This record gives sequence, C-alpha cells and structure tokens, in this order.
Amino acid sequence: DTAVSQTPKYLVTQMGNDKSIKCEQNLGHDTMYWYKQDSKKFLKIMFSYNNKELIINETVPNRFSPKSPDKAHLNLHINSLELGDSAVYFCASSQGPQGLPQHFGDGTRLSIL
Amino acid sequence: SQQGEEDPQALSIQEGENATMNCSYKTSINNLQWYRQNSGRGLVHLILIRSNEREKHSGRLRVTLDTSKKSSSLLITASRAADTASYFCATDATSGTYKYIFGTGTRLKVLA
Repeated sequence: DTAVSQTPKYLVTQMGNDKSIKCEQNLGHDTMYWYKQDSKKFLKIMFSYNNKELIINETVPNRFSPKSPDKAHLNLHINSLELGDSAVYFCASSQGPQGLPQHFGDGTRLSIL
Repeated sequence: SQQGEEDPQALSIQEGENATMNCSYKTSINNLQWYRQNSGRGLVHLILIRSNEREKHSGRLRVTLDTSKKSSSLLITASRAADTASYFCATDATSGTYKYIFGTGTRLKVLA
C-alpha cells in the first residue's frame, strides 16, 4: 500500500501551459507539504497545509497555487509554466505540523520544453 | 540562506566499511532529522535527534549532535550495497516555526 502517492510521475509539457500535480496520503496525517528539488538535489519547501489550512507559504511565484480539498489530498496547480519550473516536485505528509517525521511520495518529474 | 549543509558532497566506500557524513547548520534548532533518498524515489526518514540529545542509535545508524558547533554526523556501520543513496539532514529553520530546511545531501556509493 502506497502511503503518499503522487500523480503523474512524469510530466513533460510546453512553456506557457498550465498543469496540475495531485497528491494523496492514506496515513491519516493532518499535515501535507509540497517541496521542489532542483537539479543539484537541493530540496526546498514550498507550501504546507494543516487540516486544510495553509500554514507555510514560502516565497513562491503566485503561478503556483496549492489546493487541499480534504486532509488526505493536496494538489499543486501551476500556471504559465516556465523553463525554471523544471524540477522534481515532492509531496509529503506528517502527523501534526511539527513534521516529525515527514513521509514523502516518490516525486513528479516536471520537464518544460 | 541554506540552513543545513552536508559534507562531503559525495562518498565512495567498499562494502563492509563505515561511512560518516556531516551536517552543519547556522541557527539554533529544536530538532534535526536525517533522511535517505534512493535514486528516483522520495525521501525516507531515518532518525530524529532533539537539541537536548547528543547521540542516538538505530540499527547500524549512529547520529551525533553537537549544538555548540552546530553540527551533526551520521555514521553507517558495516555498509552494504543497498545503502547506496543520498543522505540529507533537515533542521527546523527558526524557533516557533515548523519549517524544515534540507541540505543538498551526501551521495554515498557503496561498492560490492
């Protein structure tokens, strides 16, 4: 049973398009996260939701909009994709906002052509 | 600026040897976590050490924390080929927030 699952695993698209990545966790956690990992493996937090409420909102272009319809789901919508958005996006979850520990999905590799 | 930085960036050892990787951070922390990332996969939590702890063990893993030097080390004893992965430390960025900052990791290769 996959604990944190993301779809799609790979996403190849043209610059300027809009795309969404979905994340679901079946761990019963109340906190979910989005991270971006660049080509140098640097992992940076983007957003965090606790009980569907946004609690961490890093300096991210407003082209990125997270949505949490319920505690088990956190989606990421990206408008007007740019070359610099190419990266691996990871969803994670934890029980409680302290993030101890976080459980990660296997990532969505986004490639912008 | 980046909170956690791992050292070395890459490490190659023979199976059976011990592997040590280090993490340095800049500001005071409450907790420090170590994670492993296999190629093409998500991060997997290995061990958590709190700021009032100096050492923790989990199987073949030993983690130390020196808050005076703002550094931590992860020791993997009797390494196996399956330990080949990237290892990251994560520190809570600022007291009172729940944001964790990850470094760029140490890429460990264990040769059979």
